[in-house]
Amino acid sequence: EDKVVQSPLSLVVHEGDTVTLNCSYEVTNFRSLLWYKQEKKAPTFLFMLTSSGIEKKSGRLSSILDKKELSSILNITATQTGDSAIYLCAAMNYGGSQGNLIFGKGTKLSVKP
Amino acid sequence: DAGVIQSPRHEVTEMGQEVTLRCKPISGHNSLFWYRQTMMRGLELLIYFNNNVPIDDSGMPEDRFSAKMPNASFSTLKIQPSEPRDSAVYFCASSPPGRGGSGEQFFGPGTRLTVL
Repeated sequence: EDKVVQSPLSLVVHEGDTVTLNCSYEVTNFRSLLWYKQEKKAPTFLFMLTSSGIEKKSGRLSSILDKKELSSILNITATQTGDSAIYLCAAMNYGGSQGNLIFGKGTKLSVKP
Repeated sequence: DAGVIQSPRHEVTEMGQEVTLRCKPISGHNSLFWYRQTMMRGLELLIYFNNNVPIDDSGMPEDRFSAKMPNASFSTLKIQPSEPRDSAVYFCASSPPGRGGSGEQFFGPGTRLTVL
C-alpha cells in the first residue's frame, strides 16, 4: 500500500530558529513530491520536486528530494510566528492522466515569539 | 479571480440524513479532487475526475458515498445515509490541464461536516 510518512508530527520552536521537516514515501510509480502549507483553512502549494538533488527555494523556505532514500526535507530558516501551520507532504504517482496525491499526516509547526 | 468554491461551509446533521456537498472548480481546470481530512487519518483522497470522468474512486470509503461531475463547472459528493464517523472537513481541489500535470492542486475552503 502506498504511504507517506512525515516526522516529527509536531514541533515547537522560537522565532529565529531553523527547522527541518522530514517526509519519506513508499509509492508505486512515483512521479513527484509536493509540499503544502495548511493554516486555518485549505492547503496552499509550496513546492513540487521531481528531480533528485535539486534544491527549490522560496524566501526562507527550501526543499530537496532524495529519490535514492525515498525522502524529502523542507527547511525553514529564521522562523517567524507566521510560519506556524501544518506542513503537508504528498507523493504524486502516475495514476490516471493527472496522477493523484498520497498525503502524509503532516507536521504541526508552532513558532513562539 | 474566484478560487475553488465549496458549499456549504459548515453542515451539522443527524445520523441517517442525506448530505450533499458541492464544488465549483476554477474555470479552465480539468481535474477535480475530493478529499476528506480528519485528525486521525489526515488528508485522504476520496475520488478524482478528469474531464468530468471519474478516474479513481478507490478512496471512497463505502457505498454510502457517491460523487458526480455532470459538467466541467460543478461536482457533488453525497453521503447517504450519513454516520457520525463521517464527521470531517471535506475539501474539493482542482488542477489545470497540460504538461503532464503540474501537480499543483488549488484547494477550496472546505466543508466542515458534523454528523450527530
